[in-house]
Amino acid sequence: GAVVSQHPSRVICKSGTSVKIECRSLDFQATTMFWYRQFPKQSLMLMATSNEGSKATYEQGVEKDKFLINHASLTLSTLTVTSAHPEDSSFYICSARTSRDRPYEQYFGPGTRLTVT
Amino acid sequence: AQSVAQPEDQVNVAEGNPLTVKCTYSVSGNPYLFWYVQYPNRGLQFLLKYITGDNLVKGSYGFEAEFNKSQTSFHLKKPSALVSDSALYFCAVTRREIKAAGNKLTFGGGTRVLVKP
Repeated sequence: GAVVSQHPSRVICKSGTSVKIECRSLDFQATTMFWYRQFPKQSLMLMATSNEGSKATYEQGVEKDKFLINHASLTLSTLTVTSAHPEDSSFYICSARTSRDRPYEQYFGPGTRLTVT
Repeated sequence: AQSVAQPEDQVNVAEGNPLTVKCTYSVSGNPYLFWYVQYPNRGLQFLLKYITGDNLVKGSYGFEAEFNKSQTSFHLKKPSALVSDSALYFCAVTRREIKAAGNKLTFGGGTRVLVKP
């Protein structure tokens, strides 16, 4: 149980285009989803927290107009990288939390590698 | 603010020897502590967690970790390392008291483990 999927697993796009990454909780309802970014050989940096039906909360320094997050249902959150540039190339990982009563339970997706050329 | 330190970028160990990956944390209040493992181009896999109770926590794949409140440490250990344990290991912390939707994990910088045959 508690499986999180991400799609696509890899994407290559041209500079200036937009890319959408999906994060799905397959067998549970995710009240909260988190989006992380990981640079090569570095740790995970939290980008934003999204709660179903409300606006995402972005971490300091993350451009909310560039990284659009939508949490439309209890099983789906999307991250759209708008007007992508080569510096946006990174590994993006989402995680999902099952319940506000168990705030420590986060289940991670397999990640999406974005390459902007 | 909360933080995690993993003082070793890389740990090398011979197969069959004990493996230890160090982690110290800083958090106001009581911590929830986690260890995750990441294989190349993959998301994070949960190994174990400390929430409350016994300071020695046993997890997946023969790993265990000991919570030491006085030293604010949560070192990961395995009595006999396998070549397949070679991966990137992350320690993470969050506060126990906060049950709000914005509860966040803070990750350490990661420690690369290389187990040589």
